[in-house]
Amino acid sequence: DAGITQSPRHKVTETGTPVTLRCHQTENHRYMYWYRQDPGHGLRLIHYSYGVKDTDKGEVSDGYSVSRSKTEDFLLTLESATSSQTSVYFCAISESLVGPAQHFGDGTRLSIL
Amino acid sequence: GENVEQHPSTLSVQEGDSAVIKCTYSDSASNYFPWYKQELGKRPQLIIDIRSNVGEKKDQRIAVTLNKTAKHFSLHITETQPEDSAVYFCAASISTGRRALTFGSGTRLQVQP
Repeated sequence: DAGITQSPRHKVTETGTPVTLRCHQTENHRYMYWYRQDPGHGLRLIHYSYGVKDTDKGEVSDGYSVSRSKTEDFLLTLESATSSQTSVYFCAISESLVGPAQHFGDGTRLSIL
Repeated sequence: GENVEQHPSTLSVQEGDSAVIKCTYSDSASNYFPWYKQELGKRPQLIIDIRSNVGEKKDQRIAVTLNKTAKHFSLHITETQPEDSAVYFCAASISTGRRALTFGSGTRLQVQP
């Protein structure tokens, strides 16, 4: 399996609090992605990164921000969490030369009360 | 942007039967189509992918077919086994530039022993 570590794996927090999820990779892959997974919606792209300090929005980016200061780390921040952001969050990585095949981390289950 | 529709949402088959899952996509520029398998509580894992320059690809009991004219692609699993029970996701993307995947909503496959 690709070396992808997500932390924390589980988190429960309250509405209005800030939350940061971390994705760490040991594969030196250029591309990193954050998805959320909700029943009936498959996986939806929140933000992605195509290099250090290079990020762009996905289809469900409202309420989320990201940062990538090092190749190996991609952070997802919920500035002020809402109950609608309760979800399972997956990080994914892909290589730059072989094609867009993506490999996923184990996910973070986030509950916002 | 790209839109991927997946059918059926649930599929139940007897062990040893075949299973077929179908997806359609909207963006004619899409040229990469992976399939992921996700077991309960686990990460999505790539099981097979196909690029638009081929019409069919096989890997043991799994095959994927692509019809670019009709913009649809299908996953075929033969001789199904109980361990094939999982949620399967199709996806589509363009293999240059952003490389973000657009996922279908998933098919829950149950193989009855």
